[in-house]
Amino acid sequence: ETGVTQTPRHLVMGMTNKKSLKCEQHLGHNAMYWYKQSAKKPLELMFVYNFKEQTENNSVPSRFSPECPNSSHLFLHLHTLQPEDSALYLCASSQASLGPLAEQYFGPGTRLTVT
Amino acid sequence: AQSVTQPDIHITVSEGASLELRCNYSYGATPYLFWYVQSPGQGLQLLLKYFSGDTLVQGIKGFEAEFKRSQSSFNLRKPSVHWSDAAEYFCAVGSNFGNEKLTFGTGTRLTIIP
Repeated sequence: ETGVTQTPRHLVMGMTNKKSLKCEQHLGHNAMYWYKQSAKKPLELMFVYNFKEQTENNSVPSRFSPECPNSSHLFLHLHTLQPEDSALYLCASSQASLGPLAEQYFGPGTRLTVT
Repeated sequence: AQSVTQPDIHITVSEGASLELRCNYSYGATPYLFWYVQSPGQGLQLLLKYFSGDTLVQGIKGFEAEFKRSQSSFNLRKPSVHWSDAAEYFCAVGSNFGNEKLTFGTGTRLTIIP
């Protein structure tokens, strides 16, 4: 049990749908991350939030819109996605004040399929 | 820019045998290095990390890794694998500017045979 939960675990959506992924961390951390994991490709960092402020947007298309209402919750709003967006989306959290060696704790991911 | 190479996509090892997973990194300064493991249907879990000090690092689940600056490598080892070690293993390098900039390798899938 990593203390980071993600819902839903599986999502199938059409290209015209709007959906949201939710992440919640119960570890008291102050940094949260979205990663995209595609088959045969390295994990791609998408967004980083430190103390609810976005500090990293790794050239992610605007059809992905993150939201961090507080340090425990992170959302990824999805709209007009493409089939190539099908992947496992992982959320992670860490204690940013611990510096560069702070461990990132990952959730189990949401398996997204775009049809 | 930092990068990580894991040259082995898939490795098969007999239970009880030793294991070494390779990782090569590219980074201009002293790197922060990590090994994560991902079991099926799970997120990633940190096995061990290195920044400075002793170049042989001990981690959880009996794993260790050795940092070799001259070879730009951070290979993961375990003397005797168990069936529960079957998973995907990811090497990652972090920047000096914070843990936000973790760059991952493509992973090595480990299969254990009886």
